Amino acid sequence: QVQLQESGPGLVKPSETLSLTCTVSGGSITSYYWSWIRQPPGKGLEYIGHIYYSGSTNYNPSLKSRVTISLDMSKNQFSLKLSSVTAADTAVYFCARRPGGNTFDFWGQGTMVTVSS
Amino acid sequence: EIVLTQSPGTLSLSPGERATLSCRASQSVSSSYLAWYQQKPGQAPRLLIYGASSRATGTPDRFSGSGSGTDFTLTISRLEPEDFAVYYCQQYGSSPITFGQGTRLEIK
Repeated sequence: QVQLQESGPGLVKPSETLSLTCTVSGGSITSYYWSWIRQPPGKGLEYIGHIYYSGSTNYNPSLKSRVTISLDMSKNQFSLKLSSVTAADTAVYFCARRPGGNTFDFWGQGTMVTVSS
Repeated sequence: EIVLTQSPGTLSLSPGERATLSCRASQSVSSSYLAWYQQKPGQAPRLLIYGASSRATGTPDRFSGSGSGTDFTLTISRLEPEDFAVYYCQQYGSSPITFGQGTRLEIK
């Protein structure tokens, strides 16, 4: 059974860069799209972007100027960097797996990130 | 970007009743790449339906999805206590992937 686990700081200061890592266990990182999705407190879900195992990326245009997603196949991990954060970036951040031609089938449990000084 | 609008915002029903949730897209969802998720407090969303009508592994058969183009429906034939949660539709046929705002299914 594939498992995903997010890790990273729970508190980030405004204007700084949010950095999270998702560790994939129980399965290969190849042949899938590895994605980040976030959910502000009490609100709905927002797709951030994904990286394919080949290294190609796709980002939500609403965040594209601030987002970088990278992959470390040797560690079975992928990462999210979101720069110049504000309070509006406070959310639970989920990592998820997406098979080609299909939707998110496995999710991490999510990690809460608060942007505050 | 495809905007998904879910209705109603909140649905109050009793166990044993039938639930009908709607998801309308601002433009046609290609190849019926429409999914439904269930989310309970403090948990990640759980995939219920993909391809508009295919049940994901482990989804009980009381859940069914239908629709095409711009109008989609999730039906729960007979509500169980564990079904009370928030439900999201999501399209994955066009970039960027987008989600509806959610329907909260609460116990009446």
